[in-house]
Amino acid sequence: EAGVTQSPTHLIKTRGQQATLRCSPISGHTSVYWYQQALGLGLQFLLWYDEGEERNRGNFPPRFSGRQFPNYSSELNVNALELEDSALYLCASSLSGGTGWSNEQFFGPGTRLTVL
Amino acid sequence: AQKITQTQPGMFVQEKEAVTLDCTYDTSDPSYGLFWYKQPSSGEMIFLIYQGSYDQQNATEGRYSLNFQKARKSANLVISASQLGDSAMYFCAMREGPGTASKLTFGTGTRLQVTL
Repeated sequence: EAGVTQSPTHLIKTRGQQATLRCSPISGHTSVYWYQQALGLGLQFLLWYDEGEERNRGNFPPRFSGRQFPNYSSELNVNALELEDSALYLCASSLSGGTGWSNEQFFGPGTRLTVL
Repeated sequence: AQKITQTQPGMFVQEKEAVTLDCTYDTSDPSYGLFWYKQPSSGEMIFLIYQGSYDQQNATEGRYSLNFQKARKSANLVISASQLGDSAMYFCAMREGPGTASKLTFGTGTRLQVTL
């Protein structure tokens, strides 16, 4: 069974540009989560999607947005990039977070975003 | 106040020895789940073990066990018979309550180095 996949592996952008990161969950998982891990720090929760809807978002500005498609894959968009957006962005999936809240989240390999 | 506290930035352990990684948490929610993840240098987060707040027994998964002391709000990870491949960052995380929240809150991690 394929795990969570993310693309691209690396992404280099300049300040002010937009970045789009993609995530495909494990087959059968309907919940997708996005986390940011800045260098040397723990993971910070960004967004949670379940069944195509945004269910929760972390303490990030509105220029961080995303969506979930009918096949449950997800996209994270970061507009007006700033230098401090440089980080590893991890996507995770689980069985529905709404009904099975104790379900573990399985993570993808991440996208390393560098903003110059 | 920190929701998840990992006070050991780094730990060393000799191969084949046991090691305990500390984690304390803070929540007023009676329903919560505690997770441990391993992050090798490749960046992917690997789920290790889960403990629910109502679980009567400490969780075990192979060489991993969770020393859950509810009254002290601690959930320490014990790795028995350490192997060189255990060298990685280890994160403790918590999910509070069922339903809509669903996000994981992570600690800052402990870097474990297994030596010969």
